[in-house]
Amino acid sequence: AQRVTQPEKLLSVFKGAPVELKCNYSYSGSPELFWYVQYSRQRLQLLLRHISRESIKGFTADLNKGETSFHLKKPFAQEEDSAMYYCALRGSNFGNEKLTFGTGTRLTIIP
Amino acid sequence: EAGVTQFPSHSVIEKGQTVTLRCDPISGHDNLYWYRRVMGKEIKFLLHFVKESKQDESGMPNNRFLAERTGGTYSTLKVQPAELEDSGVYFCASSQTGLAQYFGPGTRLTVL
Repeated sequence: AQRVTQPEKLLSVFKGAPVELKCNYSYSGSPELFWYVQYSRQRLQLLLRHISRESIKGFTADLNKGETSFHLKKPFAQEEDSAMYYCALRGSNFGNEKLTFGTGTRLTIIP
Repeated sequence: EAGVTQFPSHSVIEKGQTVTLRCDPISGHDNLYWYRRVMGKEIKFLLHFVKESKQDESGMPNNRFLAERTGGTYSTLKVQPAELEDSGVYFCASSQTGLAQYFGPGTRLTVL
């Protein structure tokens, strides 16, 4: 079974401080991990996928297979980072394209 | 290029009525997915089309839900008859095979 856990429902961080949103997963194979973000009154949009290994809007995430984690990090928070963040997993077996989401973390950046 | 579109954006119906949601994927995307977020819960997968065929419908909650994708273009999701627990936000997403999924704005369904 595929499972994604985001332990923090709410996270408040001061502007300029580092941000870390936690994501742990459970999957028997080699999953593909994603971070999606939903800004106020906007649609869910892709922020990162682990196989791309790119940095978007200053965010990075490293897949740690030993700890089964895919935490999202940013060294210096900006006010525009306030949003809902979802970690998602896609299985590796052929034909299994569905995403399994965590419950999401609402990030609030305090000016 | 237009993104995934969904219609309507909101729907308020009474228990026992029928509602049909529509999703238009990004042009050229063979894969189309339906998800929903019930109040306070996580976004959950409902089903996956590849072109006009149902690849995976393991997330469909019961036989009151019927999804179609005739011609492999847009898709509809019909709920008949609607129950109170069907209230939530229904998302559609599309992708090219193996690539990231792009989401629509969602349809907020309220069943009274």
